[in-house]
Amino acid sequence: GESVGLHLPTLSVQEGDNSIINCAYSNSASDYFIWYKQESGKGPQFIIDIRSNMDKRQGQRVTVLLNKTVKHLSLQIAATQPGDSAVYFCAETPNSGNTPLVFGKGTRLSVIA
Amino acid sequence: GAGVSQSPSNKVTEKGKDVELRCDPISGHTALYWYRQSLGQGLEFLIYFQGNSAPDKSGLPSDRFSAERTGGSVSTLTIQRTQQEDSAVYLCASKTGGAKNIQYFGAGTRLSVL
Repeated sequence: GESVGLHLPTLSVQEGDNSIINCAYSNSASDYFIWYKQESGKGPQFIIDIRSNMDKRQGQRVTVLLNKTVKHLSLQIAATQPGDSAVYFCAETPNSGNTPLVFGKGTRLSVIA
Repeated sequence: GAGVSQSPSNKVTEKGKDVELRCDPISGHTALYWYRQSLGQGLEFLIYFQGNSAPDKSGLPSDRFSAERTGGSVSTLTIQRTQQEDSAVYLCASKTGGAKNIQYFGAGTRLSVL
């Protein structure tokens, strides 16, 4: 099992500032990536996705950046709000079909009002 | 519309007992997944269904774990002779038959084995 599971990386951000959450993925064959947000007591909620033929994709207040050279993914949240406080997971999959997602360990975002 | 529904939301059981966890996917979603999330950790894949068939059950940790899906809808995850290490949140997700692999999750069942 995982040895660091109880100690999620934590990012503390002042309300109104921008947040950047990072994720390193392991499978160079992965070509589809998703960011999920998980609030306490709830299941993961889809935020934004990106295919490997892109390096940037924007949504509402969120931007995902993909660097395939170093196998790195980031999620940027603009003007962070208290409601953004949650654990954020990146997920990867070798294709965009039905294969199971492989999740990262997660980062806890704490917004300071 | 309704999301993925899981029941029970919480289950406390004694070591050695069997438990059944239920998942109702979003109507019309053809693929269904079970994941496990231990305290403070990421999600670990268990099994997935395409229709009523399970093309990938590679994540089931032991033969005490099994799952079935009937009518292309409801799925049940069964854990026999539960052990303390089975304590976790069991999450179910479903997706449409479309190309994008966006999986929609239920709130999970928190299983505590005493």
